[in-house]
Amino acid sequence: QSALTQPASVSGSPGQSITISCTGTSSDIGGYNYVSWYQQHPGKAPKLMIFGVTNRPSGVSNRFSGSKSDNTASLTISRLQTEDEAHYYCSSYTSSGTLYLFGSGTKVTVL
Amino acid sequence: QVQLVQSGAEVKKPGASVNVSCKSSGYTFTGYYMHWVRQAPGQGLEWMGWINPNSGGTKYAQKFQGRVTMTRDTSISTMYMELSRLTSDDTAIYYCVRDLSDFWAFDYWGQGTLVTVSS
Repeated sequence: QSALTQPASVSGSPGQSITISCTGTSSDIGGYNYVSWYQQHPGKAPKLMIFGVTNRPSGVSNRFSGSKSDNTASLTISRLQTEDEAHYYCSSYTSSGTLYLFGSGTKVTVL
Repeated sequence: QVQLVQSGAEVKKPGASVNVSCKSSGYTFTGYYMHWVRQAPGQGLEWMGWINPNSGGTKYAQKFQGRVTMTRDTSISTMYMELSRLTSDDTAIYYCVRDLSDFWAFDYWGQGTLVTVSS
């Protein structure tokens, strides 16, 4: 099974809100509440931003929020800041043989 | 504080095997499932499999079955990932990650180990 589908890039100005979509199927996103989101800055390891669709780990800004509708999950970044410029990956458990899928990744640019 | 410290970069020839280690500290090693995730240069993330450090039980992604082996040594809180029959497509950064129990989410990541496969 191929990766979950994300837009290649999303951009916004400081202070604005942006939303990144992540589209899967009923075998992954639509069937389970095991959606996570990761932020990755260049040359760094990914960082967990959202787990269980809507939950934020301790220390993650409340400007980051997650949601899900049918087979599509979304990450919203409110009050965009320059340090939010990074790649973002969604992920989900899947009932297929792959067991776990990552999204194709979205480059967020702060204009 | 939780730390995952991986072994250093490796250069391997096609057909060879590589063994990457990941030493855990700052938490109960046997209390959390651990996974391996890799990232080819300029590419996205790819899940490889998990190991239960308590029982040693493993589950591998179909793509890697027969080629990957994950083990652990509880006496030194360290897990290992061996990948065999390497090809240039296996050139990537390999990360060990801790599972945030019950959510299939990865809350701590090692620093990554670059494995380069080149003749």
